Amino acid sequence: EVQLVESGGGLVQPGGSLRLSCSASGFIFSSYALHWVRQAPGKGLEYVSAISTDGGSTYYADSVKERFTISRDNSKNTLYLQMNSLRPEDTAVYYCVKEEDSNPRWDDAYDIWGQGTRVTVSS
Amino acid sequence: QSVLTQPPSVSGAPGQRVTISCTGSNSNFGAGYDVHWYLQLPGTAPKLLIYDNNNRPSGVPDRFSGSKSGTSASLAITGLQAEDEADYYCQSYDSSLRWVFGGGTKLTVL
Repeated sequence: EVQLVESGGGLVQPGGSLRLSCSASGFIFSSYALHWVRQAPGKGLEYVSAISTDGGSTYYADSVKERFTISRDNSKNTLYLQMNSLRPEDTAVYYCVKEEDSNPRWDDAYDIWGQGTRVTVSS
Repeated sequence: QSVLTQPPSVSGAPGQRVTISCTGSNSNFGAGYDVHWYLQLPGTAPKLLIYDNNNRPSGVPDRFSGSKSGTSASLAITGLQAEDEADYYCQSYDSSLRWVFGGGTKLTVL
């Protein structure tokens, strides 16, 4: 079964840091670009960050640029999101998502979503 | 303000047909980028419903269909069922903002 399982969420004070992890199984991890998508309480979906198959290309939403770092370890089938200088507006459920097509394209769909991990930034 | 514009809510009676619109611009749909649709049941992760404008993943009923024309897209649901009550999101790529979502539409089955 193709699966993504996030971990690492929790309660953190403003200005603090967290590292999210996403463990993958059931597909050739190194063949697919991966993204982080978040959803604030009662709000819609928001792209956060993306990474290419080999980790050589990374992309960030303006709202998290220079605070968040995406990375992957293809030997461990794991995706990461290092989040620094956290703000209350970063409070959300963070989803790890897989692109549908192994052939790189900008407008690919997200065919597999993790269950999400909740991040709460509050004093 | 989302880059892709969806109505906040739509509703329909069981058995009816409803459509959800998703309006983009020349930097996303108009530039030729495909639209995808996701369904999110309360308290769960989103699930891919339609990809590449009008394709259904395995297991998605043919009651769901998608289309795209110019800078607009739409999702149609026929034979509405109580279990279709959920939030629906469109998504695409934008040449300026990269990966973008619509604000979401809440479907209520009356």
